Amino acid sequence: EAGVTQSPTHLIKTRGQQATLRCSPISGHTSVYWYQQALGLGLQFLLWYDEGEERNRGNFPPRFSGRQFPNYSSELNVNALELEDSALYLCASSLARRGSEKLFFGSGTQLSVL
Amino acid sequence: QQQVKQSPQSLIVQKGGIPIINCAYENTAFDYFPWYQQFPGKGPALLIAIRPDVSEKKEGRFTISFNKSAKQFSLHIMDSQPGDSATYFCAADFNDYKLSFGAGTTVTVRA
Repeated sequence: EAGVTQSPTHLIKTRGQQATLRCSPISGHTSVYWYQQALGLGLQFLLWYDEGEERNRGNFPPRFSGRQFPNYSSELNVNALELEDSALYLCASSLARRGSEKLFFGSGTQLSVL
Repeated sequence: QQQVKQSPQSLIVQKGGIPIINCAYENTAFDYFPWYQQFPGKGPALLIAIRPDVSEKKEGRFTISFNKSAKQFSLHIMDSQPGDSATYFCAADFNDYKLSFGAGTTVTVRA
């Protein structure tokens, strides 16, 4: 069974540009979560999508947005990139009714903003 | 603002030693406390989890101790092996589908 896949693995952008990160959940999983992992800060919750709808959002500015497609894959968009957006962005999927009980993470997209 | 405080930031033990990672929280509404293990270049993977109605849970060589009154929980890795070298994250949740993670502890087990 394929795990959560994320693309691209690495992404280099400059300040002010937009970044698009993609995630394919495990087959059958309807919930997708996005986390930001910055050095020394652990994982910070960004967004949660389920059945195509945004269900919850972390304490991030509106320039962080995303969507979930009918096939449950998801996209994270970061507009007007800032240097502090440089981080590993992790996507996770879940099947459980209570999603956070068992999250399966992808290997992440390393975003570097120059 | 870190809702879950994790310590130490890093630790080194000899093979067979017992690394202990501690976490503390303030929000008494938290009712689910998982631990995730992350190897370099990989995403975190669920290791073990506990709910506040039990004080201890063991899975293989990994044990969670939970102290509800102190609002603290910890991970013990018994008979640690070099393959256990990884970053460990504690987390907490209260039914709103957004786990709050600690900052992580890098564990190095020397052969």
